[in-house]
Amino acid sequence: GAVVSQHPSRVICKSGTSVKIECRSLDFQATTMFWYRQFPKQSLMLMATSNEGSKATYEQGVEKDKFLINHASLTLSTLTVTSAHPEDSSFYICSAGGAANEKLFFGSGTQLSVL
Amino acid sequence: GENVEQHPSTLSVQEGDSAVIKCTYSDSASNYFPWYKQELGKRPQLIIDIRSNVGEKKDQRIAVTLNKTAKHFSLHITETQPEDSAVYFCAASIGSGTYKYIFGTGTRLKVLA
Repeated sequence: GAVVSQHPSRVICKSGTSVKIECRSLDFQATTMFWYRQFPKQSLMLMATSNEGSKATYEQGVEKDKFLINHASLTLSTLTVTSAHPEDSSFYICSAGGAANEKLFFGSGTQLSVL
Repeated sequence: GENVEQHPSTLSVQEGDSAVIKCTYSDSASNYFPWYKQELGKRPQLIIDIRSNVGEKKDQRIAVTLNKTAKHFSLHITETQPEDSAVYFCAASIGSGTYKYIFGTGTRLKVLA
């Protein structure tokens, strides 16, 4: 099946620093990638839609200058949490679509803890 | 806006019994409905899906039914096992021909041995 790799799996950082998370489709070209945020025991909240070579589309209430998304190639999208604060602590997860079976596959997630 | 409601939020069943999780969607243009299983701290895994031109789909112990008229779809797990314990999310595509989904709020399933 299609494989989506996400790194790092866990990040602990100080308040004010920026953190970059990578999402890669390993065996297919991802025409579209998505970034979600998930709080404990809650559902996946879509943050933004990322298309290769174009600007990301952000959901209402998500600050685009806070959460920078770059989709430079058909296999890589990155999410940068800029000037992270404790309230940004969360589980961030990506997904990628474009595999031949037209299904959406998820990365393994990144647990971000901002001290 | 588009919405997916999921019930129940928690479900406990005895091993060997069946479990049913129900979802309702609001976007009449939705045409793809996947179900994901997520274990604690892990990625959601696609377990079954159904398209709007099909009313029912089965894969071993797992089945999904879809009622387009009522905008309901359900996940059925038979002969439950302890390893079925996880959080299950339903989702509905936003419109057609898109990977963009709205997710339900999740159901925490516990299978008691």
